[in-house]
Amino acid sequence: DTGVSQDPRHKITKRGQNVTFRCDPISEHNRLYWYRQTLGQGPEFLTYFQNEAQLEKSRLLSDRFSAERPKGSFSTLEIQRTEQGDSAMYLCASSFSRTGPDTQYFGPGTRLTVL
Amino acid sequence: GESVGLHLPTLSVQEGDNSIINCAYSNSASDYFIWYKQESGKGPQFIIDIRSNMDKRQGQRVTVLLNKTVKHLSLQIAATQPGDSAVYFCAEKTKSSYKLIFGSGTRLLVRP
Repeated sequence: DTGVSQDPRHKITKRGQNVTFRCDPISEHNRLYWYRQTLGQGPEFLTYFQNEAQLEKSRLLSDRFSAERPKGSFSTLEIQRTEQGDSAMYLCASSFSRTGPDTQYFGPGTRLTVL
Repeated sequence: GESVGLHLPTLSVQEGDNSIINCAYSNSASDYFIWYKQESGKGPQFIIDIRSNMDKRQGQRVTVLLNKTVKHLSLQIAATQPGDSAVYFCAEKTKSSYKLIFGSGTRLLVRP
């Protein structure tokens, strides 16, 4: 499968714990995005990387959230001191910027449940 | 503020009929629009996109129509099949940002 992959697919944690999610984009895609989706809603943008540079961040990304893409390939999203309100599906997408519309392709998501 | 919304939260159609899912957007600066399909427990799947310099684009069994005058987007699915049952999202993007702005989705139910 050469699509976007995410790990883990599901994570259950207790309030106050730290969690880290990983995203592997489609090979050669230089742009990577994180979104969050709650039940019944559309995905909400969190942050965007072009290669290793984090170029855009949403106000939703509080100081408990941090994302990295150290080598311009895979990315990690860490949530510190998790709260029940962090329970959601965390989606990663990637795209390739050259010409054309820069279509974003999504991975299967990581479902986070904070108890 | 920016928003992408949908008129109908749930659409039920008979198998074989055509489906039309509608979407309104409010940001006149948006120049790129995408339709995604999302099945339960999965990530959004790209269906079709359209740029603001077009008003219609066709794919396999799907057509997207863009009316910039009234800021309206629609997805037409021909000969709807049970496998089309899912939640459909429209999303928009402006030139000044890389983020997609999604609406809350329309659930499409296909009756056999």
